[in-house]
Amino acid sequence: NAGVTQTPKFQVLKTGQSMTLQCAQDMNHNSMYWYRQDPGMGLRLIYYSASEGTTDKGEVPNGYNVSRLNKREFSLRLESAAPSQTSVYFCASSEGQRGYTFGSGTRLTVV
Amino acid sequence: GESVGLHLPTLSVQEGDNSIINCAYSNSASDYFIWYKQESGKGPQFIIDIRSNMDKRQGQRVTVLLNKTVKHLSLQIAATQPGDSAVYFCAERGQAGTALIFGKGTTLSVSS
Repeated sequence: NAGVTQTPKFQVLKTGQSMTLQCAQDMNHNSMYWYRQDPGMGLRLIYYSASEGTTDKGEVPNGYNVSRLNKREFSLRLESAAPSQTSVYFCASSEGQRGYTFGSGTRLTVV
Repeated sequence: GESVGLHLPTLSVQEGDNSIINCAYSNSASDYFIWYKQESGKGPQFIIDIRSNMDKRQGQRVTVLLNKTVKHLSLQIAATQPGDSAVYFCAERGQAGTALIFGKGTTLSVSS
């Protein structure tokens, strides 16, 4: 059981570069989420997708875009990376009123 | 055991003690609450949840208490073990269909 798979696990970008963080779940969950985690800030919601074909902004969406490619996959794109986007990014999925299942995270450094 | 009256970023306990981790939530309309455990280098893992129509729920060695009057949530861990060392997050859901909002987390350190 893979659960939620995130790629890559680590990435270093230069300021202004773009990249896409990939997330896939094999639990047939309807809802998927992207959070970022910074020291002392807990997890903050970037975007979420309540179901295939829908996406909504979270608390900190600026500088990011998302695509719900199909029910399994939800990607997060940084069009022009900035040092302030240095963080650990977590993808999660859920079904109904149950708790989330998280991936193992992508550690992104922007220099 | 050791408890904290307010949210603190760190909690240190001895192996075998009972631990109490507190969390204040923000939205009086929140209907669902979860506690997560995050070990170093890993994603958060579900521990226990509770709905707003309950005030207590027990799991294996863990108990969650909900006080809606003061918007307070606590996680009690019985007979704390070194493997319980981690960061613990509470999370609330404002209403059905919305995403979870997480607290800042408490780092639990267990010494043997």
